[in-house]
Amino acid sequence: DVKVTQSSRYLVKRTGEKVFLECVQDMDHENMFWYRQDPGLGLRLIYFSYDVKMKEKGDIPEGYSVSREKKERFSLILESASTNQTSMYLCASSPRTVPGQYFGPGTRLTVT
Amino acid sequence: QKEVEQNSGPLSVPEGAIASLNCTYSDRVSQSFFWYRQYSGKSPELIMSIYSNGDKEDGRFTAQLNKASQYVSLLIRDSQPSDSATYLCAGSGPSGYSTLTFGKGTMLLVSP
Repeated sequence: DVKVTQSSRYLVKRTGEKVFLECVQDMDHENMFWYRQDPGLGLRLIYFSYDVKMKEKGDIPEGYSVSREKKERFSLILESASTNQTSMYLCASSPRTVPGQYFGPGTRLTVT
Repeated sequence: QKEVEQNSGPLSVPEGAIASLNCTYSDRVSQSFFWYRQYSGKSPELIMSIYSNGDKEDGRFTAQLNKASQYVSLLIRDSQPSDSATYLCAGSGPSGYSTLTFGKGTMLLVSP
């Protein structure tokens, strides 16, 4: 079974803090993705990566950055957290050959 | 601009009935389609994929794709209360370098 894990299920941070969300997959997938999901807005792609040290902007990259130093690990960084970044953050991975993605359990981030 | 449209629902069906979930897409380039099930508070789970015109069956689930009409559907036979969830439709381009475009999901409620 594909296993995608995320560092925290719930996280509470203060405005202005730097926040790190980590994602690890154990299926040797080339592609990794970060989404946020908000009621009424659906899943929105923040950043994705096709390979180590590669990154591509998604639909809503502002206020976020990413890091992929190892194939299995993809980190999302909120440089200076703001209240409008309160959301469910979902990491996903997929093999290069098939675009179907497998999601981690999600991190519900609250910024106060 | 790729778009995937779904009726938000809720779609209510009695236990044992067939639930029919529909999805339309606006981009003729989309090649592959995926259905995800998402329980409240949980992350999306990949349940079906379909790549060519026609039907694909997996247990109680049947995915249908009609590329000429740009229409994808998911049928759930013998619906159970445990099928109550939000179902997300997603489409992608032809290669493993493609991202997924998600619909906002249809909520399904199966009553005992």
